[in-house]
Amino acid sequence: QVQLVESGGGVVPPGRPLRLSCAASGFTFSRHTMQWVRQAPGKGLEWVALITYDGSNEYYADSVKGRFTISRDNSKNTLDLRMNSLTTDDTAVYYCVKEWGADSWGQGTLVTVSS
Amino acid sequence: DGVVTQSPLSLPVTLGQPASISCRSSRSLVYSDGNTYLHWFQQRPGQSPRRLIYKVSNRDSGVPDRFSGSGSGTDFTLKISRVEAEDVGVYYCMQGTHWPRAFGQGTRLEIK
Repeated sequence: QVQLVESGGGVVPPGRPLRLSCAASGFTFSRHTMQWVRQAPGKGLEWVALITYDGSNEYYADSVKGRFTISRDNSKNTLDLRMNSLTTDDTAVYYCVKEWGADSWGQGTLVTVSS
Repeated sequence: DGVVTQSPLSLPVTLGQPASISCRSSRSLVYSDGNTYLHWFQQRPGQSPRRLIYKVSNRDSGVPDRFSGSGSGTDFTLKISRVEAEDVGVYYCMQGTHWPRAFGQGTRLEIK
């Protein structure tokens, strides 16, 4: 059974960095593309970033390009999102999502950017 | 960009009645491999999203057969043949053909 468990969320002042992690289990992590999707409070879903199965390609939403970095460690079955230059617009629940087609989602971790 | 626009944004439905949600793309969602990467998700209150339909019309495992997807090119539809109480929530389409990926605004289904 696929399990995706996000961690690392919390309250962070504007401009400070934060790193989110996702621990994956129940499938062969190294064979699957992974994504991050976020949802601001009371709002819809926003695609954030994607990394291919071997880490060779990364794709980003325009809203985070140059500030966020997606990465993975296939030896540890973990997916990361390093976030820099955070603004209040980055406040959201961040979901770890499996595969190009988003077939499995974690429970999410809340990031609140506030002074 | 592959912007996708859903309608309606709010959908009150009587139990047992059908429901239909439209998703329209600004560009054709047919990829160079011939597949159309348009997917549908359900988000129940307080829960993470769950995929219902992938590549236009393929139901995910465990999804009731009252859910169906159809469409082609730029116009797509999610239909619920008979709405049940557990269907309450927000429904999203997502295009996986163009960069950046994009979700529709969401359609909130409620029981009338």
